[in-house]
Amino acid sequence: AQKVTQAQTEISVVEKEDVTLDCVYETRDTTYYLFWYKQPPSGELVFLIRRNSFDEQNEISGRYSWNFQKSTSSFNFTITASQVVDSAVYFCALSGSNYQLIWGAGTKLIIKP
Amino acid sequence: EAQVTQNPRYLITVTGKKLTVTCSQNMNHEYMSWYRQDPGLGLRQIYYSMNVEVTDKGDVPEGYKVSRKEKRNFPLILESPSPNQTSLYFCASSSYRGPSTDTQYFGPGTRLTVL
Repeated sequence: AQKVTQAQTEISVVEKEDVTLDCVYETRDTTYYLFWYKQPPSGELVFLIRRNSFDEQNEISGRYSWNFQKSTSSFNFTITASQVVDSAVYFCALSGSNYQLIWGAGTKLIIKP
Repeated sequence: EAQVTQNPRYLITVTGKKLTVTCSQNMNHEYMSWYRQDPGLGLRQIYYSMNVEVTDKGDVPEGYKVSRKEKRNFPLILESPSPNQTSLYFCASSSYRGPSTDTQYFGPGTRLTVL
């Protein structure tokens, strides 16, 4: 069975701090995809990144970076120099051979000014 | 503009009164899916469709029906809604085989309350 665990229910930091959101996954598939989505207070789902299981290179996009480690089945997300606009719920998700997207419970990130 | 639309955006209904939430996409996507979002549980897949007339159950299909008669539309039907179906519902679409091959586009969500 596939599973995604986001152990951090809620994180609160002060603006400009760096923050890392953890994601641990379980799958028996050798080919799979990992995703991060952002859900701001307005409620829509915003796609952030999609990474396949054969690409373990870390990714950086502006203040966002992702660390994919197959050895620990983790796909962590770091926001550098956080801003109030980063406040949202962040979801990690996994897709394997069954064409379904399995989601973690989400981490609520609160950035205080 | 490429988009997934859902209607209605908000709905309050009573137990047992049949309802349909519509979903439409304009990207000629093969794959469409319905999710429900509940606090502390993330999103859970209800049903998905790989193409016209092809639908399959997700993780929480009980109490729901879907149909895929046209490529662009994928309505979610609650024949006899119950309070435990109070939730935020998202429709999504993507090309080919869904999330394994392409990014999913999500609708704006439908907030359903069943009294």
